[in-house]
Amino acid sequence: AQSVAQPEDQVNVAEGNPLTVKCTYSVSGNPYLFWYVQYPNRGLQFLLKYITGDNLVKGSYGFEAEFNKSQTSFHLKKPSALVSDSALYFCAVRAAAGTGFQKLVFGTGTRLLVSP
Amino acid sequence: DTEVTQTPKHLVMGMTNKKSLKCEQHMGHRAMYWYKQKAKKPPELMFVYSYEKLSINESVPSRFSPECPNSSLLNLHLHALQPEDSALYLCASSQVMPRDDSLDYEQYFGPGTRLTVT
Repeated sequence: AQSVAQPEDQVNVAEGNPLTVKCTYSVSGNPYLFWYVQYPNRGLQFLLKYITGDNLVKGSYGFEAEFNKSQTSFHLKKPSALVSDSALYFCAVRAAAGTGFQKLVFGTGTRLLVSP
Repeated sequence: DTEVTQTPKHLVMGMTNKKSLKCEQHMGHRAMYWYKQKAKKPPELMFVYSYEKLSINESVPSRFSPECPNSSLLNLHLHALQPEDSALYLCASSQVMPRDDSLDYEQYFGPGTRLTVT
């Protein structure tokens, strides 16, 4: 079964410093990987995805993610954190292929706290 | 318009009540989803509609009844809920994927309905 793991419940970083939110995956076949962000009392917002191609994926709001097949990782990164980046981040993997719709399996989430 | 709207934002209902949650999108998406999210947990998929037909029911209890009356609307009818059903209910939509998996599309989420069952 497809799954993702987010080993950190919370990541703390100072504003202006680089940030990394970790995600590892376990899939059979090609991985379809996603990052979503959730602000308090809001739905999820799509940040970026890896389907195929370049290992460095660029997304919204200055975020990027590095796909590493040998380490089965898909870590989310940003060169310079903002206080407004504080939110809950979910890594997700597409669990069912060839069905016409997208069944996602989410990781447990990592809370990012950026201090001024 | 890349917005998914959900009403109501908050709902408090007793265990004998009947209520409905509504979701609407005007992006032309033909796949629509219902998720349940408990506090500090990831969303869990409940139902998927593709071209207005129910494609996935993740073994959800029958007290939850989805309906997709047209390509823009998705409803979730609630009846005889339990206190443990209290959660944030999220609706999402996406384009339908080609079956050869040559492409993939992200989901657009609504803000959710915060449901409390008393």
